[in-house]
Amino acid sequence: QSVLTQPPSVSAAPGQKVSISCSGSSSNIESNYVSWYQQLPGTAPKLLIYDNNKRPSGIPDRFSGSKSGTSATLDITGLQTGDEADYYCGTWDSSLSASVLFGGGTKVTVL
Amino acid sequence: LQLHESGPGLVRPSETLSLSCTVSGFSISTSNYYWAWIRQPPGKGPEWVGSIFYTGSTHYNPSLESRVTISVDTSKSQLSLKLNSVTAADTAKYYCARHVMVPMVVSTFDLWGRGIMVAVAS
Repeated sequence: QSVLTQPPSVSAAPGQKVSISCSGSSSNIESNYVSWYQQLPGTAPKLLIYDNNKRPSGIPDRFSGSKSGTSATLDITGLQTGDEADYYCGTWDSSLSASVLFGGGTKVTVL
Repeated sequence: LQLHESGPGLVRPSETLSLSCTVSGFSISTSNYYWAWIRQPPGKGPEWVGSIFYTGSTHYNPSLESRVTISVDTSKSQLSLKLNSVTAADTAKYYCARHVMVPMVVSTFDLWGRGIMVAVAS
């Protein structure tokens, strides 16, 4: 059971929008920056979003991140078949057992 | 920039898992980044193992800290992972990654290696 909670799966038709939530607490999401990673089948995770809402060079603006309180959200607009992947949120947890955390992951299916 | 993990794909229970990661196309002795090990059991999400600065300063996942040692050899542009007393629960794909880290504030893994699958079995 991950400290950062994500829905196991979301789905939508091509061209539509999906939103993936990442729910945490005051010791992680609320007080630290959030990153998002995309993992295509059989490949290593790839950075999509960092510092809550910034995109690395080469990441299309169809991907956007936001944070409010103890939750963060990754939005994907104009969904494409190539977006079918697992998506993970990540952040620091500043509790007594300080550690870097990942969410449990969300599988995005393009219908 | 490339990160390339290497090591044995099979380790016996109770023994020590040893992996290396060679960094090319970028200086490992940079003040801007840590270098990290992350593992991912089959069908599960990633788990941070630990990170090291080029000076040798380390941060470990508290759940693994008693069994983990991460080291860096700047002359070879390599980082290494040793995990002792392994069990089947340590079976995973192990990745090395470049880590933008400010402890307790920022953690971003911006570049990843392809990973190496390690099975713990007799």
